[in-house]
Amino acid sequence: GENVEQHPSTLSVQEGDSAVIKCTYSDSASNYFPWYKQELGKRPQLIIDIRSNVGEKKDQRIAVTLNKTAKHFSLHITETQPEDSAVYFCAARLGQGGKLIFGQGTELSVKP
Amino acid sequence: GAVVSQHPSRVICKSGTSVKIECRSLDFQATTMFWYRQFPKKSLMLMATSNEGSKATYEQGVEKDKFLINHASLTLSTLTVTSAHPEDSSFYICSAKRQGVNTDTQYFGPGTRLTVL
Repeated sequence: GENVEQHPSTLSVQEGDSAVIKCTYSDSASNYFPWYKQELGKRPQLIIDIRSNVGEKKDQRIAVTLNKTAKHFSLHITETQPEDSAVYFCAARLGQGGKLIFGQGTELSVKP
Repeated sequence: GAVVSQHPSRVICKSGTSVKIECRSLDFQATTMFWYRQFPKKSLMLMATSNEGSKATYEQGVEKDKFLINHASLTLSTLTVTSAHPEDSSFYICSAKRQGVNTDTQYFGPGTRLTVL
């Protein structure tokens, strides 16, 4: 079945620096890759997503890149702020109606 | 738009009792809802996929007789934890996919914290 590996598990950066979180997936038929941000005790919130027909997508300080050949996708956050501190999850979906398989999560800490 | 609610937000119950958790899509219709379980500082583990008007599809290792799922309408899915035990204590989160336009995105509910004494 589909498996998603996410690294690192924890990431600490200084305010203003960039943060990069990487994920790999196992099933080459996966076609949709969302990223979620979850603050403590709260629901996961979709922050950006990318489909398999696109290599890169950007939304202000957040960008996602996808390498289908290598089955890698990454989240890039620039000019980090303390409010970016949270747990970030990547996910991969197999097929149109397929379920999301989540990575293990990355706890990002942005120090002021 | 795309708001998902869950009720209750917290529940404490005695061992052996059953607990029902509701997941509602408030401003859209959802043909498919998903139920996840999340342990502290861990990822979301998919328990089952709930389709309106049909039986839920359970993930491997999830007991269908213990975690009863009903998706009776396009805006409501329920998860009933039967004969709850302390090891069932967890954070249960649902998500919903919109019917029709852009069906990729899953919108999550706020979660239900279940504590079984």
